[in-house]
Amino acid sequence: KQEVTQIPAALSVPEGENLVLNCSFTDSAIYNLQWFRQDPGKGLTSLLLIQSSQREQTSGRLNASLDKSSGRSTLYIAASQPGDSATYLCAVKCTGGFKTIFGAGTRLFVKA
Amino acid sequence: GAVVSQHPSRVICKSGTSVKIECRSLDFQATTMFWYRQFPKQSLMLMATSNEGSKATYEQGVEKDKFLINHASLTLSTLTVTSAHPEDSSFYICSARDGERSYEQYFGPGTRLTVT
Repeated sequence: KQEVTQIPAALSVPEGENLVLNCSFTDSAIYNLQWFRQDPGKGLTSLLLIQSSQREQTSGRLNASLDKSSGRSTLYIAASQPGDSATYLCAVKCTGGFKTIFGAGTRLFVKA
Repeated sequence: GAVVSQHPSRVICKSGTSVKIECRSLDFQATTMFWYRQFPKQSLMLMATSNEGSKATYEQGVEKDKFLINHASLTLSTLTVTSAHPEDSSFYICSARDGERSYEQYFGPGTRLTVT
């Protein structure tokens, strides 16, 4: 059974700092891994999707890496801004059944 | 990009009543739809997977008689919470898989259910 773990559970950083969010998964048989942002009481905003054959994806100040063999992904946020404050969710799409399993998320607070 | 809508976005109902939540894929055919629930400050938990024209597959611990899922067309799936209780209050999110591009999955904006 696939399990997805995110560390840390919460993070508070001053504006401008670079930071890394971690995601690990137990079963390497995945189609892809996706990072989402969720603002309080809102739905999901997709940030980056990495296919199982890829190593990383970049979008603006965000960079996500994937090491399928070790079951790890990181989301790097450069020059953080107060507007980046949200919960960041890592989700793994499993082979067979196309189920997507989510981590518990990392709550990020960027102080101005 | 592909869009998934949910209706209503917010609903308040009395204990013992039933409430229906709709999930629609607006510009693609969704061969598979997924329903998630999210409790406050917790992550999304998969409830069930539904394929168009067939019965939904429920995750362990999810009562199929309480959470009725109907996926009658390639663009619409409904989740009916029957005989709702306050503990059913949650944020329900659906997602739809694009049948043409099997790896693409799109999420709806969610429905906040409050049972009083």
